[in-house]
Formats: sequence, C-alpha cells, structure tokens
Amino acid sequence: DGGITQSPKYLFRKEGQNVTLSCEQNLNHDAMYWYRQDPGQGLRLIYYSQIVNDFQKGDIAEGYSVSREKKESFPLTVTSAQKNPTAFYLCASSIGTKYEQYFGPGTRLTVT
Amino acid sequence: AQSVTQLDSQVPVFEEAPVELRCNYSSSVSVYLFWYVQYPNQGLQLLLKYLSGSTLVKGINGFEAEFNKSQTSFHLRKPSVHISDTAEYFCAVSDVNQGGKLIFGQGTELSVKP
Repeated sequence: DGGITQSPKYLFRKEGQNVTLSCEQNLNHDAMYWYRQDPGQGLRLIYYSQIVNDFQKGDIAEGYSVSREKKESFPLTVTSAQKNPTAFYLCASSIGTKYEQYFGPGTRLTVT
Repeated sequence: AQSVTQLDSQVPVFEEAPVELRCNYSSSVSVYLFWYVQYPNQGLQLLLKYLSGSTLVKGINGFEAEFNKSQTSFHLRKPSVHISDTAEYFCAVSDVNQGGKLIFGQGTELSVKP
C-alpha cells in the first residue's frame, strides 16, 4: 500500500523542548512538504524539499528545521524558538512541485 | 504572484440539495487546478484535478468542477449532497510553466444539515 505516514498522531511536549515529527513516503516522490494548520487559517507552508539534501523555507519557517537525507523521509523539528508550536502539522509529497500533493494523516502537537 | 480566493468561508446546505463552492485564482499564465477535501482531524484528500483537456472535470464522491479560463474560476459542484460530505474543502493552483508550488485557498467549510 503506497502512501504517506506520519507519527505519532498526537504528541505532547513541555514548553522549551525540541520535538521531531516523522514523515515517511513510499510513493517514490521527489518533492516533500510540511504545512502547519491552525483553526480558520488554512494551510501555511513551513518547508519544502524538491530533492534529497536540499530544502527551501516556506512562508513560516522561523522556529522550525528540517532534513532530507533520504528520498522517503522528511522529518520536521519544532524548536523551542517557535513561539506558538501547538498546531496540526501535515506532511505531503508530490512527483514535482506543480503537481498534486498527497497528504499524510497529520500530527497534532500540543505544547504546554 | 499567484493567489487563490475561496469566496465563501462557510456554506450551510440541506441534505440532497445542490451545492457550489466557489474558487477564483489570479494568474497570468497557464495553471493546474485542484480541489481537496479534509475531514476533521485528517489529512487532505484529492477530490479532482484539472491539468489540460476538457474543462469539466469529474472527481470522487460525485463532485465535479468546471475550469473557466476567462473568469479565472474553478468552482466545485455536487448535484445532491449527503451528510457525509460535511468537511472542509480547499482549492489549489500551480503555475504550469514556472514549476511553481501549489498555492492553497483558505478553505470552505461545508456543513450539510438533515
């Protein structure tokens, strides 16, 4: 079964801790993305990667970091510098940036 | 720069009634267009896409959309909705020639009432 997996579904952290969200795809897609979703604000792009070992900042990259060491994996680290980290995080992939994106089930991060 | 406007943030409708969710985009070049659906606490699922060819595109769950280049619109329609269609719907556009990224609209919350 091809698709995108994100784990865990729910994640709880204390303020001041870094946390890494997992995203894996077995669709053989070159491009991968991370979005943040807050109520009433649609999707906001955090980072994206078009190829292994390369990635670009999206609209709200501050306080986040990513790596792309393997084609199938694109983990997102939410650092303690992110002021409002509590949100729903979505990972996606596509064969190219202008084509349809396929989304994972999301990770809901709560920081207290 | 490209942008996408979903003209209604919320659309309430009764079960078995028709519905249209409106999407307009701004772009001076050729575009690809997409509609996605998101159920609560889930990821987005592709409903349909327009890449080229016929301007009337049929998707899953009985939805269809029509690409209107002159009006730069890509409205989503369903002739008869079900309670299970209650969800958030996102329109997205990408620039064909410049390899741009998908730009998403702000979403339309469809609420189907019995």
